[in-house]
Amino acid sequence: ILNVEQSPQSLHVQEGDSTNFTCSFPSSNFYALHWYRWETAKSPEALFVMTLNGDEKKKGRISATLNTKEGYSYLYIKGSQPEDSATYLCAFQRDDKIIFGKGTRLHILP
Amino acid sequence: NAGVTQTPKFQVLKTGQSMTLQCAQDMNHEYMSWYRQDPGMGLRLIHYSVGAGITDQGEVPNGYNVSRSTTEDFPLRLLSAAPSQTSVYFCASSYDRVTYGYTFGSGTRLTVV
Repeated sequence: ILNVEQSPQSLHVQEGDSTNFTCSFPSSNFYALHWYRWETAKSPEALFVMTLNGDEKKKGRISATLNTKEGYSYLYIKGSQPEDSATYLCAFQRDDKIIFGKGTRLHILP
Repeated sequence: NAGVTQTPKFQVLKTGQSMTLQCAQDMNHEYMSWYRQDPGMGLRLIHYSVGAGITDQGEVPNGYNVSRSTTEDFPLRLLSAAPSQTSVYFCASSYDRVTYGYTFGSGTRLTVV
């Protein structure tokens, strides 16, 4: 069983503040780590896919880092905006299986 | 491009009935997967395919069958519906998962009574 853990489960952040959350995954037989944003009443949308230890990716105010040796990835959001309210999913890929964590639900407070 | 199309969007079944959830993509994606989403459980992998004619089991395959006779289509069959299969089902596809990740369909909400 591939265990992908995300923390925290839920997070409330004041608009304008920066925040981050964590994804933990098995460090053995690693292939790739995915991050998705899932807005209410929509489908998940891919943010990043990272494959190499030390990878960092950035899209606008959102960035992610990857540590495959210790099995964790961080997602950072700088200067949170109301449109950042969503569930953020990470997914661990080993060979052809992509297994999702339960997500971090982010609420941006005005 | 229509992307990933799932039909139907909503379905109510009686226990013991069978049905097929349809998933089609027009992006020439080799990789396709089915996930189910339940409250507090996240997305759980049911079955996946890496190309036409090739399928494999995911985390929760029991009670479901799949086939991949064409690149475009990846139907999910419920053999004998049970209330535990009440869920939202998502189909996802990708051309190259480590470059682009998955593109998801809009989901099928299934209720088994």
